[in-house]
Amino acid sequence: GEDVEQSLFLSVREGDSSVINCTYTDSSSTYLYWYKQEPGAGLQLLTYIFSNMDMKQDQRLTVLLNKKDKHLSLRIADTQTGDSAIYFCAEANFGNEKLTFGTGTRLTIIP
Amino acid sequence: GEEVAQTPKHLVRGEGQKAKLYCAPIKGHSYVFWYQQVLKNEFKFLISFQNENVFDETGMPKERFSAKCLPNSPCSLEIQATKLEDSAVYFCASSHAAGLFDEQFFGPGTRLTVL
Repeated sequence: GEDVEQSLFLSVREGDSSVINCTYTDSSSTYLYWYKQEPGAGLQLLTYIFSNMDMKQDQRLTVLLNKKDKHLSLRIADTQTGDSAIYFCAEANFGNEKLTFGTGTRLTIIP
Repeated sequence: GEEVAQTPKHLVRGEGQKAKLYCAPIKGHSYVFWYQQVLKNEFKFLISFQNENVFDETGMPKERFSAKCLPNSPCSLEIQATKLEDSAVYFCASSHAAGLFDEQFFGPGTRLTVL
């Protein structure tokens, strides 16, 4: 079955860049997503990338995909205190549109 | 409405009692998804609906869990005879369609605590 792995914690100084990593096992993954979960809240879709792309940029967010290594990363430039949250990567593929989530990475911002 | 609504926000049940959770999808959305988030943050897909029809139920436990989406009513997820391991936050999401291009919008979740 599908397996999606992330490191559990990341601490970054305010103003620095944050890089959150994710690895997945399903080679048929078609779309890969990054979600943000703030305390006590549901999930907010931040961005997604199609598997035939290797990079996508959206304002402060940059997604990099290494399909050969099945490695996905999310870079947040100029990290702010409002970026403190748990970040989940997720994957889905055609014919199996349910999302399979990673374990989540808790991002803590150090003032 | 413009947001996925879930009720109640918190639910406490004694082991063996029934729990029923509700979800109102965004108006115009045809697909509803239920996910379970346990204490270690892991999200597990449970079931999805296309209107009132089950679309994918591969994540639903075979026993004790059931779900419905009836016309003109909130969708519901029911757990008969709750167990301690059912304690989790249950999220509902809705989307316009079930394609990968269609963003799933998540509700705020219902926290179920089984004592």
